[in-house]
Amino acid sequence: AQSVSQHNHHVILSEAASLELGCNYSYGGTVNLFWYVQYPGQHLQLLLKYFSGDPLVKGIKGFEAEFIKSKFSFNLRKPSVQWSDTAEYFCAVGSNYQLIWGAGTKLIIKP
Amino acid sequence: EAGVAQSPRYKIIEKRQSVAFWCNPISGHATLYWYQQILGQGPKLLIQFQNNGVVDDSQLPKDRFSAERLKGVDSTLKIQPAKLEDSAVYLCASSSDQGAGQTQYFGPGTRLLVL
Repeated sequence: AQSVSQHNHHVILSEAASLELGCNYSYGGTVNLFWYVQYPGQHLQLLLKYFSGDPLVKGIKGFEAEFIKSKFSFNLRKPSVQWSDTAEYFCAVGSNYQLIWGAGTKLIIKP
Repeated sequence: EAGVAQSPRYKIIEKRQSVAFWCNPISGHATLYWYQQILGQGPKLLIQFQNNGVVDDSQLPKDRFSAERLKGVDSTLKIQPAKLEDSAVYLCASSSDQGAGQTQYFGPGTRLLVL
């Protein structure tokens, strides 16, 4: 069965630190890759997505993610986090008509 | 543009009772999804509609859960009878079309507690 693994359930960083959240998936075919974010008290919303082409994709608020096909990974990065990045981040992998979700990573940024 | 609307926002019921959730997707969105999100887990797809037809309900516990989207617009999800393990957030999402590459737009969710 297809699965999505997010390595860390909780991450705590200080402002200005660099961020990398891991995401690995198990599926050998063509995939679409997503990162969604849920800020406190808000709805889940799209952060960025990859379909094809340049494996480095840029999203909102300075986030980027790199698709490494050989590693089945789609890690999320931000060079310098802000307090407002405190949120829960979900990686999701789409194949055929289905979207499979990771368990999420709660990110807390200390001011 | 109005987002995805859901009601109620919170519901507390006792086990064996029934409950219904309502969702109104973004206007014009053909595809509607119901997800169950248990605390500490990612969303799990329960059912996906394309207009008023079911695309995928393979993870819907059909002995107790039912969903409909009769006119291809809003949708209801029902649980009857509820079990303790149904305590979760029920998320509704919509997208302009089906396909795993579509961006899904989520509502605020309904938080269900079964006692």
